[in-house]
Amino acid sequence: EPEVTQTPSHQVTQMGQEVILRCVPISNHLYFYWYRQILGQKVEFLVSFYNNEISEKSEIFDDQFSVERPDGSNFTLKIRSTKLEDSAMYFCASRSTDTQYFGPGTRLTVL
Amino acid sequence: RKEVEQDPGPFNVPEGATVAFNCTYSNSASQSFFWYRQDCRKEPKLLMSVYSSGNEDGRFTAQLNRASQYISLLIRDSKLSDSATYLCVVHYSSYKLIFGSGTRLLVRP
Repeated sequence: EPEVTQTPSHQVTQMGQEVILRCVPISNHLYFYWYRQILGQKVEFLVSFYNNEISEKSEIFDDQFSVERPDGSNFTLKIRSTKLEDSAMYFCASRSTDTQYFGPGTRLTVL
Repeated sequence: RKEVEQDPGPFNVPEGATVAFNCTYSNSASQSFFWYRQDCRKEPKLLMSVYSSGNEDGRFTAQLNRASQYISLLIRDSKLSDSATYLCVVHYSSYKLIFGSGTRLLVRP
């Protein structure tokens, strides 16, 4: 069964550093998403991406965040200058019809 | 008012019990509704979509009441493996998913 994959599974970084989280969506899907979940809190929408551009973003997704689909398979989330409060699980998702399928997540720890 | 509200639980039930979770949503323009399951520190996984007519998948039954903006999930004959957090999820026309905080279920032997 096709699945969304994410790397790395765990990323530790120093405050102020840039991080890039990587995702490989399911191959025939056209819509891509990033969500985050701070420990003990609910899953929150960050951004949706379709046809090589952002279709919607949340208030969380400020100028420090960017997304890119650099080739036909990868979908990345970049945080330019990490803050302590960016520590969370980051989930990538993709969809073709109604259902979004989530990757296993990247745990980001900012020290 | 929160967009999607759930009782956080935990619901602690014996194996074989029937348990029901409720959820309310605030935006009447919501178009689709889902129950996802999330195990500790794992990704959300789709359990089932929720339709106005109600739908069943094995031991799981979901109901939607658009007039009351209310969604429910019923689990019959609970198994130990059902222990997880159940997430009520809605989406609007943008296909952005809005998650509730989840209801935690613990099934004991």
